Amino acid sequence: GAGVSQSPSNKVTEKGKDVELRCDPISGHTALYWYRQSLGQGLEFLIYFQGNSAPDKSGLPSDRFSAERTGGSVSTLTIQRTQQEDSAVYLCASKNDLGDTQYFGPGTRLTVL
Amino acid sequence: AQSVSQHNHHVILSEAASLELGCNYSYGGTVNLFWYVQYPGQHLQLLLKYFSGDPLVKGIKGFEAEFIKSKFSFNLRKPSVQWSDTAEYFCAVTDSWGKLQFGAGTQVVVTP
Repeated sequence: GAGVSQSPSNKVTEKGKDVELRCDPISGHTALYWYRQSLGQGLEFLIYFQGNSAPDKSGLPSDRFSAERTGGSVSTLTIQRTQQEDSAVYLCASKNDLGDTQYFGPGTRLTVL
Repeated sequence: AQSVSQHNHHVILSEAASLELGCNYSYGGTVNLFWYVQYPGQHLQLLLKYFSGDPLVKGIKGFEAEFIKSKFSFNLRKPSVQWSDTAEYFCAVTDSWGKLQFGAGTQVVVTP
């Protein structure tokens, strides 16, 4: 089947605007992760969803960041009032219950002007 | 808190040379260890992983890594690199929830 997909692939926005990034995990994968890859910070964990459990939001850098996962499948990462330091590649990964490997999507490159 | 340290940020070598990338981790519990690779313009892909058992693990494309518990290390090796191995390599460790903690990455450039 298809791998993890993310949209858009690129997003350019103005400072202060809100953005939504979408992740479609591999079908049947119950675990979904968001990471951020930026020049200054490398690859950082943001948030983790596992089935119907409450998400682990411990990696979100500020309250401007939020994410949801509808129906245990698609996830949306929302960044409100974007700042220039939010510019990064946002990566989504999914994993099934029995597996131990996270499969990554191609990422969304966010540029905040 | 766990952390992952990669020794080299940038490595340049010629084709057919041997490659070894260092990775040390800091974590008090049982660890699961990974090496991921990101080829230019592509997404992160798993090279290999270690969970338990034989500490020498073999991955794709001729890569292998050795887990040395006493040294908290998980170094990646390839005996003879190719130009197509030019990529960024990330060492990572997961906690019990599966969250990946990545090292800073090592950019490897293989010259023809």
